[in-house]
Amino acid sequence: QSVLTQPPSASGTPGQRVTISCSGSSSSIGGNTVNWYQRLPGTAPKLLIYSNNQRPSGVPDRFSGSKSGTSASLAISGLQSEDEADYYCAAWDDSLNGWVFGGGTKLTVL
Amino acid sequence: QVQLVQSGSELKKPGASVKVSCKASGYTFNSHAMNWVRQAPGQGLEWMGWINTYTGNPTYVQGFTGRFVFSLDTSVSTAYLQISSLKAEDTAVYYCARSGGNGYYRNWFDPWGQGTLVTVSS
Repeated sequence: QSVLTQPPSASGTPGQRVTISCSGSSSSIGGNTVNWYQRLPGTAPKLLIYSNNQRPSGVPDRFSGSKSGTSASLAISGLQSEDEADYYCAAWDDSLNGWVFGGGTKLTVL
Repeated sequence: QVQLVQSGSELKKPGASVKVSCKASGYTFNSHAMNWVRQAPGQGLEWMGWINTYTGNPTYVQGFTGRFVFSLDTSVSTAYLQISSLKAEDTAVYYCARSGGNGYYRNWFDPWGQGTLVTVSS
Protein backbone atom coordinates (compact mmCIF):
# COMPACT_ATOMS: atom_id res chain seq x y z
CA GLN A 1 0.00 0.00 0.00
CA SER A 2 1.42 3.34 -1.08
CA VAL A 3 2.03 6.13 1.41
CA LEU A 4 0.53 8.76 -0.89
CA THR A 5 -3.03 8.21 -2.10
CA GLN A 6 -4.03 8.67 -5.72
CA PRO A 7 -7.17 7.55 -7.54
CA PRO A 8 -6.35 4.40 -9.52
CA SER A 9 -7.91 5.75 -12.69
CA ALA A 10 -9.04 8.91 -14.41
CA SER A 11 -10.43 9.63 -17.83
CA GLY A 12 -11.42 12.42 -20.15
CA THR A 13 -12.16 13.22 -23.75
CA PRO A 14 -9.83 15.13 -26.05
CA GLY A 15 -9.75 18.82 -25.20
CA GLN A 16 -11.09 18.35 -21.68
CA ARG A 17 -9.38 19.31 -18.45
CA VAL A 18 -8.56 16.51 -16.03
CA THR A 19 -7.19 16.67 -12.52
CA ILE A 20 -5.44 13.94 -10.54
CA SER A 21 -5.24 14.22 -6.78
CA CYS A 22 -2.52 13.08 -4.40
CA SER A 23 -3.14 12.93 -0.68
CA GLY A 24 -0.47 12.61 1.97
CA SER A 25 0.28 13.66 5.52
CA SER A 26 1.97 16.43 7.46
CA SER A 27 5.29 14.57 7.30
CA SER A 28 5.15 14.12 3.53
CA ILE A 29 3.25 16.57 1.36
CA GLY A 30 2.49 18.86 4.30
CA GLY A 31 6.15 19.60 4.89
CA ASN A 32 7.80 19.02 1.53
CA THR A 33 7.36 19.73 -2.14
CA VAL A 34 5.63 17.37 -4.54
CA ASN A 35 6.88 15.98 -7.83
CA TRP A 36 4.88 14.32 -10.59
CA TYR A 37 6.06 11.70 -13.05
CA GLN A 38 4.49 10.48 -16.27
CA ARG A 39 5.02 6.98 -17.54
CA LEU A 40 3.93 6.42 -21.09
CA PRO A 41 3.22 2.80 -22.03
CA GLY A 42 6.40 0.78 -22.25
CA THR A 43 8.69 3.61 -21.18
CA ALA A 44 10.47 4.78 -18.04
CA PRO A 45 8.94 7.41 -15.79
CA LYS A 46 9.62 10.97 -16.87
CA LEU A 47 9.66 14.07 -14.68
CA LEU A 48 6.55 16.14 -15.39
CA ILE A 49 6.31 18.61 -12.50
CA TYR A 50 8.82 19.34 -9.73
CA SER A 51 8.68 21.48 -6.60
CA ASN A 52 4.88 21.50 -6.63
CA ASN A 53 4.37 23.54 -9.77
CA GLN A 54 7.56 23.81 -11.83
CA ARG A 55 7.69 22.39 -15.34
CA PRO A 56 10.97 21.08 -16.74
CA SER A 57 11.88 22.43 -20.14
CA GLY A 58 10.01 20.61 -22.85
CA VAL A 59 6.91 19.86 -20.78
CA PRO A 60 3.88 21.59 -22.32
CA ASP A 61 2.15 24.25 -20.27
CA ARG A 62 -1.00 22.13 -20.50
CA PHE A 63 0.41 20.38 -17.45
CA SER A 64 0.28 22.19 -14.12
CA GLY A 65 0.72 21.27 -10.49
CA SER A 66 -0.50 22.70 -7.22
CA LYS A 67 -0.31 21.92 -3.52
CA SER A 68 -2.45 22.85 -0.56
CA GLY A 69 -1.86 21.53 2.92
CA THR A 70 -1.35 17.78 2.77
CA SER A 71 -2.71 17.34 -0.76
CA ALA A 72 -1.51 18.07 -4.26
CA SER A 73 -3.05 18.02 -7.71
CA LEU A 74 -1.92 17.59 -11.27
CA ALA A 75 -4.06 19.26 -13.89
CA ILE A 76 -3.96 18.50 -17.59
CA SER A 77 -5.81 20.88 -19.85
CA GLY A 78 -6.55 20.43 -23.54
CA LEU A 79 -6.31 16.66 -23.10
CA GLN A 80 -4.64 14.84 -25.98
CA SER A 81 -4.51 11.16 -26.88
CA GLU A 82 -0.76 11.09 -26.23
CA ASP A 83 -1.43 12.02 -22.60
CA GLU A 84 -2.71 8.50 -22.00
CA ALA A 85 -0.25 7.24 -19.39
CA ASP A 86 0.29 6.43 -15.74
CA TYR A 87 0.90 9.40 -13.45
CA TYR A 88 2.69 9.19 -10.11
CA CYS A 89 3.10 11.76 -7.36
CA ALA A 90 6.07 11.67 -5.00
CA ALA A 91 7.28 13.56 -1.95
CA TRP A 92 9.93 13.26 0.73
CA ASP A 93 8.58 11.91 4.01
CA ASP A 94 10.29 13.29 7.11
CA SER A 95 8.96 10.52 9.36
CA LEU A 96 10.09 7.71 7.08
CA ASN A 97 13.21 9.66 6.07
CA GLY A 98 12.73 8.72 2.46
CA TRP A 99 10.89 9.23 -0.78
CA VAL A 100 7.31 8.03 -0.97
CA PHE A 101 5.14 7.59 -4.02
CA GLY A 102 1.48 7.46 -4.83
CA GLY A 103 0.12 4.24 -6.25
CA GLY A 104 -0.27 5.80 -9.66
CA THR A 105 -3.26 6.96 -11.69
CA LYS A 106 -3.95 5.45 -15.07
CA LEU A 107 -5.29 8.18 -17.35
CA THR A 108 -7.45 7.08 -20.25
CA VAL A 109 -8.30 9.43 -23.09
CA LEU A 110 -11.70 8.35 -24.35
CA GLN B 1 21.79 15.15 -23.34
CA VAL B 2 21.60 13.67 -19.87
CA GLN B 3 20.91 9.97 -20.16
CA LEU B 4 20.91 6.84 -18.02
CA VAL B 5 21.18 3.53 -19.83
CA GLN B 6 20.59 0.34 -17.87
CA SER B 7 21.63 -3.21 -18.58
CA GLY B 8 19.22 -5.70 -20.10
CA SER B 9 16.67 -8.05 -18.61
CA GLU B 10 17.85 -10.88 -16.40
CA LEU B 11 16.37 -14.30 -15.64
CA LYS B 12 17.81 -15.83 -12.51
CA LYS B 13 17.15 -18.84 -10.31
CA PRO B 14 16.34 -18.46 -6.62
CA GLY B 15 19.50 -18.11 -4.57
CA ALA B 16 21.54 -16.62 -7.40
CA SER B 17 22.84 -13.04 -7.63
CA VAL B 18 22.31 -10.32 -10.18
CA LYS B 19 24.11 -7.06 -10.90
CA VAL B 20 22.24 -4.29 -12.73
CA SER B 21 24.24 -1.47 -14.27
CA CYS B 22 23.23 2.11 -14.94
CA LYS B 23 25.58 4.07 -17.22
CA ALA B 24 25.31 7.83 -17.06
CA SER B 25 26.24 10.30 -19.76
CA GLY B 26 25.81 13.97 -20.53
CA TYR B 27 26.75 15.35 -17.11
CA THR B 28 29.41 15.18 -14.39
CA PHE B 29 28.68 11.81 -12.80
CA ASN B 30 29.83 12.60 -9.27
CA SER B 31 27.79 15.79 -8.98
CA HIS B 32 24.37 14.17 -8.66
CA ALA B 33 23.08 11.52 -6.28
CA MET B 34 21.84 8.31 -7.84
CA ASN B 35 18.68 6.60 -6.66
CA TRP B 36 17.27 3.12 -7.15
CA VAL B 37 13.53 2.47 -7.45
CA ARG B 38 11.71 -0.84 -7.66
CA GLN B 39 8.40 -1.67 -9.24
CA ALA B 40 7.14 -5.17 -8.60
CA PRO B 41 4.42 -6.62 -10.85
CA GLY B 42 1.12 -4.88 -10.23
CA GLN B 43 2.67 -2.69 -7.55
CA GLY B 44 3.63 0.96 -7.28
CA LEU B 45 7.02 2.59 -7.29
CA GLU B 46 9.18 1.98 -4.23
CA TRP B 47 12.33 3.93 -3.40
CA MET B 48 15.13 1.60 -2.41
CA GLY B 49 17.68 4.23 -1.43
CA TRP B 50 20.48 6.25 -2.94
CA ILE B 51 24.22 6.44 -3.33
CA ASN B 52 26.40 9.51 -2.97
CA THR B 53 28.31 9.49 -6.25
CA TYR B 54 31.03 11.73 -4.80
CA THR B 55 31.87 9.65 -1.71
CA GLY B 56 30.40 6.29 -2.73
CA ASN B 57 28.41 6.13 0.49
CA PRO B 58 25.13 4.22 0.04
CA THR B 59 21.92 4.67 2.00
CA TYR B 60 19.35 1.87 2.03
CA VAL B 61 15.67 2.04 2.90
CA GLN B 62 14.36 -0.44 5.43
CA GLY B 63 13.49 -3.58 3.55
CA PHE B 64 16.45 -3.22 1.21
CA THR B 65 19.27 -3.90 3.62
CA GLY B 66 21.50 -6.94 3.65
CA ARG B 67 20.97 -8.47 0.20
CA PHE B 68 21.02 -5.22 -1.77
CA VAL B 69 24.22 -3.35 -2.54
CA PHE B 70 24.68 -0.05 -4.36
CA SER B 71 28.10 0.60 -5.86
CA LEU B 72 29.88 2.79 -8.38
CA ASP B 73 32.60 2.72 -10.98
CA THR B 74 33.26 6.41 -11.46
CA SER B 75 35.88 5.72 -14.16
CA VAL B 76 33.02 4.68 -16.46
CA SER B 77 30.26 6.82 -14.89
CA THR B 78 28.28 3.76 -13.92
CA ALA B 79 26.19 2.87 -10.89
CA TYR B 80 25.38 -0.69 -9.95
CA LEU B 81 22.70 -2.51 -8.00
CA GLN B 82 23.61 -6.00 -6.85
CA ILE B 83 21.05 -8.31 -5.32
CA SER B 84 22.20 -11.55 -3.73
CA SER B 85 20.29 -14.65 -2.57
CA LEU B 86 17.52 -13.82 -5.00
CA LYS B 87 13.94 -14.72 -4.09
CA ALA B 88 10.83 -14.92 -6.23
CA GLU B 89 9.55 -11.74 -4.59
CA ASP B 90 12.56 -9.84 -5.98
CA THR B 91 10.97 -10.14 -9.42
CA ALA B 92 10.49 -6.54 -10.49
CA VAL B 93 11.62 -3.75 -12.76
CA TYR B 94 14.51 -1.87 -11.20
CA TYR B 95 15.13 1.75 -12.20
CA CYS B 96 18.05 4.03 -11.55
CA ALA B 97 17.18 7.71 -11.36
CA ARG B 98 19.41 10.74 -10.99
CA SER B 99 18.63 13.40 -8.41
CA GLY B 100 17.83 16.58 -10.30
CA GLY B 101 18.64 20.23 -9.82
CA ASN B 102 21.93 20.57 -7.94
CA GLY B 103 22.00 16.81 -7.38
CA TYR B 104 20.92 16.84 -3.74
CA TYR B 105 19.38 13.48 -2.85
CA ARG B 106 16.15 15.15 -1.71
CA ASN B 107 15.58 16.67 -5.13
CA TRP B 108 13.30 15.20 -7.76
CA PHE B 109 14.36 12.33 -10.04
CA ASP B 110 15.46 13.34 -13.51
CA PRO B 111 16.12 11.45 -15.66
CA TRP B 112 15.30 7.81 -15.08
CA GLY B 113 16.95 4.82 -16.65
CA GLN B 114 14.80 2.70 -18.93
CA GLY B 115 14.43 0.02 -16.27
CA THR B 116 15.78 -3.50 -15.95
CA LEU B 117 13.42 -6.43 -15.51
CA VAL B 118 14.79 -9.01 -13.11
CA THR B 119 12.83 -12.25 -13.09
CA VAL B 120 13.52 -14.83 -10.40
CA SER B 121 12.14 -18.23 -11.24
CA SER B 122 13.18 -21.83 -10.96
